[in-house]
Formats: sequence, structure tokens, C-alpha cells
Amino acid sequence: EVKLLESGGGLVQPGGSLRLSCAASGFTFTDFYMSWIRQPPGKAPEWLGVIRNKANGYTTEYNPSVKGRFTISRDNTQNILYLQMNTLRAEDTAIYYCARLRGNYFDYWGQGVMVTVSS
Amino acid sequence: DVVMTQTPVSLSVSLGGQVSISCRSSQSLVHNNGNTYLSWYLQKPGQSPQLLIYKVSNRFSGISDRFSGSGSGTDFTLKISRVEPDDLGVYYCGQGTQYPYTFGAGTKLELK
Repeated sequence: EVKLLESGGGLVQPGGSLRLSCAASGFTFTDFYMSWIRQPPGKAPEWLGVIRNKANGYTTEYNPSVKGRFTISRDNTQNILYLQMNTLRAEDTAIYYCARLRGNYFDYWGQGVMVTVSS
Repeated sequence: DVVMTQTPVSLSVSLGGQVSISCRSSQSLVHNNGNTYLSWYLQKPGQSPQLLIYKVSNRFSGISDRFSGSGSGTDFTLKISRVEPDDLGVYYCGQGTQYPYTFGAGTKLELK
């Protein structure tokens, strides 16, 4: 069974940093592209970026809305996906999901973790 | 960015009824490889989105045949027949043809 479990969310002050983790299990982690997606309360999801699989060199792509502030990485020995978020703003307040990508669609999503940026 | 426009914003349906949700993209979703990466997701209250349909018309594993997707190019439709209580929530279309991947604003399905 595919499982994705996010952690690391919480309250952070504007300008601060936070690192989210997503523990993956139930599939061969290195075979899959992985993404982060966020969803502000009551709004639609917003794709943040992707990290490709082993066959594609674990390269990354980002949404221009967060490029330069957010970094996606992965620990393929522990099957963990990361999202490093810097220079956080109030508008970054959202539920953050990790999701597995298959053929350019998201077939499994985690339960999400809340990030609140406020002073 | 590809803008995804969903209509209607909300729908009221009776149990057992049928509904259609429209999704239009600002650019063609036909990828260079010939595939069309339009997918549909359902977000039930308090849950994360779940995949229903991928590549326009393919049902994901375990998804009822009451859900069907159709369309091409820039114009797509999700149909739900014989609506059940577990179908209620917000439906999103999403495109994976071009970076950045984008989603529609959602259609909320409620009981009449």
C-alpha cells in the first residue's frame, strides 16, 4: 500500500524558514517523480515543483511563484522527500501535500501538513 | 501558465441523479508526445484530493464506472451518474502537460 506522510509544519514568522518532510512507503521510491503541492484554506491546489526519479537524474522543476525560495530534495536511502522553504510570507500559509507523480498526474497524495506564516 | 477554468462553481444534485462538470484550458493540453494530460480529482471534506480520472478518460484504480471523463484539446467534461453520498465534495481538474502544472478553481458538489 502506497503511503505518504508529511511532517514538519507549524507556525513560523514572516521571513523565517521551515523544512517539510514526506516519508514514503509501499513503492520503489527511486522509480518515481515526486511533487509538493499546497492549498491555502478554501482555495484550489497550487503545484510547487517536482523532483524527478533516478532514471532522470533527480533533477527539479519549480513553479515560478516559489522558485528561488523553495527547494525540493530527496533522501533515497530513507525514502524521504523534503521541501525547504525560505523567506516565508503570509501568503505561503497553506496545507502542504506531497504527492507521487505518475505519467504527469498525481496518483497518491499525503494527508497534508499545515504551515502558518504569521507574527 | 495554463489557466484552467471550471464551471459551474457549485452544483446541487439529488441522490441518484447525474451531473456534468466542465473544464477548459487556456491552451491545448496535447503534449508533444501526443498524450493529453488532463486529470480530475475529488477532495472530500477534511481530506486530501484523490485521483479519479487521468489522461482525459482513464479511471484510476478502484474508481467506479459512474465516473467518466471526455474531451480533447482545450475542452473537457467529467460526468457523474447515479450520484451517491460519498461523491460529495470539491472536484478539481488539473493539467500536467506544461510546467507549471495547474489546477482549476474547483466545483463543489452538494446535495439538493
